[in-house]
Formats: sequence, structure tokens, C-alpha cells
Amino acid sequence: AQSVAQPEDQVNVAEGNPLTVKCTYSVSGNPYLFWYVQYPNRGLQFLLKYITGDNLVKGSYGFEAEFNKSQTSFHLKKPSALVSDSALYFCAVRDSYYLSGTYKYIFGTGTRLKVLA
Amino acid sequence: IAGITQAPTSQILAAGRRMTLRCTQDMRHNAMYWYRQDLGLGLRLIHYSNTAGTTGKGEVPDGYSVSRANTDDFPLTLASAVPSQTSVYFCASSNTGELFFGEGSRLTVL
Repeated sequence: AQSVAQPEDQVNVAEGNPLTVKCTYSVSGNPYLFWYVQYPNRGLQFLLKYITGDNLVKGSYGFEAEFNKSQTSFHLKKPSALVSDSALYFCAVRDSYYLSGTYKYIFGTGTRLKVLA
Repeated sequence: IAGITQAPTSQILAAGRRMTLRCTQDMRHNAMYWYRQDLGLGLRLIHYSNTAGTTGKGEVPDGYSVSRANTDDFPLTLASAVPSQTSVYFCASSNTGELFFGEGSRLTVL
């Protein structure tokens, strides 16, 4: 079965320092991977995705993610964290099975990022 | 502004009452989804629809029903609300790529 794991409930980082939010996945077939961000009382916003190609994917707000097939990981990174990056981050994988005419998406449980001034 | 509109934003409901959460998209996406978000559990899929006229069950469908009369609208109905349905509900749509989410409907069942 497809699954996504975010091993850290919370990550704290000082402003200006690099940040990493971890994600590992389990899929059959080629993975379609996504990162989303959720600010308080808001919906999820798409940050970036990996479908194929370069293992380093660049997204919105200076975020990037590194796809590592051998480690089945898709960690979210940013070189220099901002206080405004503080939010809840979700990793997701698109189910490779096309059931009933559409794909399903499986989400991790989320990681709360806190950037300290 | 293109996107997904959900209503109501927030609602307090007595147990046993019927409630419909509305979702409308203007991106002409074929696939639409309803998720619930609960602390520590992430997002769980309730129901989905791949095109107008068809729907399917997600991982937590019990107590919920959906309809898809046209491409744009995908309402979620709680026939008889129970306290365990207290949650934040998100509607989303996709054209097989990334999901686009609404702002959510916060439902409290007392």
C-alpha cells in the first residue's frame, strides 16, 4: 500500500539558518510527490512537486525538495529560514493506481515548522 | 479569482441535524475530493469524484454522502451529524497534477 511518513511532528530552526522537513514514502511504480504548506485557519497551498527529471525540485517561496529514490525520501529544504515560513507542512504522494477514473492522494500527518527570530 | 469556494466557513451544529457543506470550483477540473483534517491524523479522504455523475468512497466515508451533478459543484452532506464528525473539512480539485484546496469549513457538532 502507498504511504507517506513525516517522522517529525515539529521542527524548530533559527531565522537565517537552513531548514529541512523530512518525508519518506512507499509506493509501487514511479512516485508523484508533493509538498503543501498550511498557514493557520487556511487551506493547503501547493509548494512543489516531483514527477520526473532532476532530483532537485524548486518551488514557491524559495523552497526546494530533493528526491532520493534509493532512500525513498523527498525532504523539503530552504537555505535560509524566515519567521514567516512558520506553518504546517504536508508531504503527499499520488497513488499510482487509477481507480474509478481518478487518482487518490495520500498525505503525511504534517510537520509543524517554527522559525525563531 | 479562480479557485475553490467552500461554505460555510464555520458552523456549530446540534447532533442529529443534517448539514451540507458546499464546494464550488471554477477551474473545470474533472476530479474533486473531500478531506477531513484532524489533529495528529493529517488529511483523510472522505469521498471523491472523477467526473460529473460519478463518485467514490475514500478511507472514512461512513456518515457522509456526496453528489456531483455538474463539473463545478461537489457538496458533502452529513445526514445525521455526530460529535465525532467535528473537524475541519477541505474540498479539493485536480486535473491529475497537484491538488487545489479550498479554505476549509470548520464544523463543530455538539
